Amino acid sequence: QVQLQESGPRLVKPSETLSLTCTVSGGSIGSSYWSWIRQPPGKGLEWIGFIYYSGSTNYNSSLKSRVTISADTSKSQFSLKLSSVTAADTAVYYCARGQWELLFSFDSWGQGTLVTVSS
Amino acid sequence: EILLTQSPGTLSLSPGESATLSCRASQSVRSNYFAWYQQKPDQAPRLLIYGASSRATGIPDRFSGSGSGTDFTLTISRLEREDFAVYYCQQYGSFMWTFGQGTKVEIK
Repeated sequence: QVQLQESGPRLVKPSETLSLTCTVSGGSIGSSYWSWIRQPPGKGLEWIGFIYYSGSTNYNSSLKSRVTISADTSKSQFSLKLSSVTAADTAVYYCARGQWELLFSFDSWGQGTLVTVSS
Repeated sequence: EILLTQSPGTLSLSPGESATLSCRASQSVRSNYFAWYQQKPDQAPRLLIYGASSRATGIPDRFSGSGSGTDFTLTISRLEREDFAVYYCQQYGSFMWTFGQGTKVEIK
């Protein structure tokens, strides 16, 4: 059973860069689509972007100019960087595994980490 | 980008009743790349249905999904107390994913 765990600073100042890492355990980082998804307090889910183990990426068009997702397969980790953050980026950030065998649904999720943007 | 609109926003029902949740896509969803999730307070979402109608591992058979193209439905028969939660639909296409805004199923 694969497990995902987010880590990184919980408090980020406005205009700075939010950085999170997801560590995958209990399974291979290969042949899956690894995504970041966020949820502002009291609101719905927003897909941020994904990385395939080969390094291919794509991002939500509304965030594309500020997002970078990368992976370190040797450490079974993938990371999110979101630049120039504002209070609107305050959210619970989840990492999740997308499986083509399950028609690109997300079958495994991290527990989520609340990141607050505030000075 | 395909937008997903869920209805109703809130469903107030009693245990034992059935729930019907709808999700409409702004364009046809290719190859049934469509899923439903359940989320309880302070928990990550849990995959219920993938491929529009296939139950994920460990999901009880009172959960069923149907639909294709632009109209999809999640049905929960015989609601149990543990089913009261928020439900999200999700679609995939061209290396992009989108979610609906959610339907809350609350105890009446």
